Amino acid sequence: DAKTTQPPSMDCAEGRAANLPCNHSTISGNEYVYWYRQIHSQGPQYIIHGLKNNETNEMASLIITEDRKSSTLILPHATLRDTAVYYCIVRPTLFSGAGSYQLTFGKGTKLSVIP
Amino acid sequence: NAGVMQNPRHLVRRRGQEARLRCSPMKGHSHVYWYRQLPEEGLKFMVYLQKENIIDESGMPKERFSAEFPKEGPSILRIQQVVRGDSAAYFCASSPPSGGGNTEAFFGQGTRLTVV
Repeated sequence: DAKTTQPPSMDCAEGRAANLPCNHSTISGNEYVYWYRQIHSQGPQYIIHGLKNNETNEMASLIITEDRKSSTLILPHATLRDTAVYYCIVRPTLFSGAGSYQLTFGKGTKLSVIP
Repeated sequence: NAGVMQNPRHLVRRRGQEARLRCSPMKGHSHVYWYRQLPEEGLKFMVYLQKENIIDESGMPKERFSAEFPKEGPSILRIQQVVRGDSAAYFCASSPPSGGGNTEAFFGQGTRLTVV
């Protein structure tokens, strides 16, 4: 089962920042937070990941709270092409046998960017 | 650098036939994952392979499904005697030699299997 909780859906106006929250209250110190998205029927697309510090790349920013129990993915200027299901996933830093290698996808947040 | 390549993109099989799905990882990637997405459902992990080795097959159905990643050539997911319930999108992901959980996996565009 997924170890994260996300709202099922969100709307965002085009050009505005999209802030997608994720709760991972049971995360351990040796687990990363990953974000992927899936645009209708396509393969999941890697966005960003982090351990403790905030991270930024050309796609998005990841803000992780100090206690690491929640995080927020920020798309700074949402466009219509950002409409997708966004998945927040926790993943161990070290693989330790069957079940530890996979990315466990939950239901995600369906983000709709509105013109 | 080409991404993860899956073929065919669409595959139609009659009940009882075999389906073979191919995945060529990104250049330099030696780890492959297979996932299945049933209609209107999330992605479910099936199997994780390195060259010539199955590392984790905890998500594979016990019968009819097999996977391989030979020393040369693509990874193959094989489904024998397909049934209608096998109709789904099958996604492959690849990653470089493991940095553990600090190694992102990149997905292909999937193969959509339809069993008629």
